[in-house]
Amino acid sequence: GAVVSQHPSRVICKSGTSVKIECRSLDFQATTMFWYRQFPKQSLMLMATSNEGSKATYEQGVEKDKFLINHASLTLSTLTVTSAHPEDSSFYICSASSEYQETQYFGPGTRLLVL
Amino acid sequence: SQKIEQNSEALNIQEGKTATLTCNYTNYSPAYLQWYRQDPGRGPVFLLLIRENEKEKRKERLKVTFDTTLKQSLFHITASQPADSATYLCALTGGSYIPTFGRGTSLIVHP
Repeated sequence: GAVVSQHPSRVICKSGTSVKIECRSLDFQATTMFWYRQFPKQSLMLMATSNEGSKATYEQGVEKDKFLINHASLTLSTLTVTSAHPEDSSFYICSASSEYQETQYFGPGTRLLVL
Repeated sequence: SQKIEQNSEALNIQEGKTATLTCNYTNYSPAYLQWYRQDPGRGPVFLLLIRENEKEKRKERLKVTFDTTLKQSLFHITASQPADSATYLCALTGGSYIPTFGRGTSLIVHP
């Protein structure tokens, strides 16, 4: 149980384009979803927390107009990187939890490369 | 400011030995602490959760201790195997219920 999927697993795009990453909880209802980015050999950096049906709460320093998060249902959240630049290249990971879970369950991650 | 420290140097051990990883924290009053495993290019996988009022937790070959006086958690893998080689992350959760992750320690188990 507690499986989270992410799509795509990797994406290469040109600078200036937008990229959408999907995160789905497959066997539970995720009341809260989290989006992280991770640079090589670095810690997970929380970008934002989203509750189903509400606006996402962004961490300090994360541009909400650049990283659009939508959590429209209890099983799906999306992260859209708008007007991507090479410095946005990173490993993006989502996680999900339900109101009955103390822990988060992570997706497999999406490797984004912006050329 | 809140700080979580995990040994940044890789831990190299021989197969069959016990691996012990350390997580220290400062300026934090966690309600609970979690350990995750992360393989290269993959998302973290949850292993164990221990609450502030618990001293020790076990799951198969894994054991976690939590000392809120020392502000430290130890993560042990007994009878380690090469398949245990990965990066292990600790994460602390306080009143906000949003965990903060350490950088992780890489474990390499040699056959």
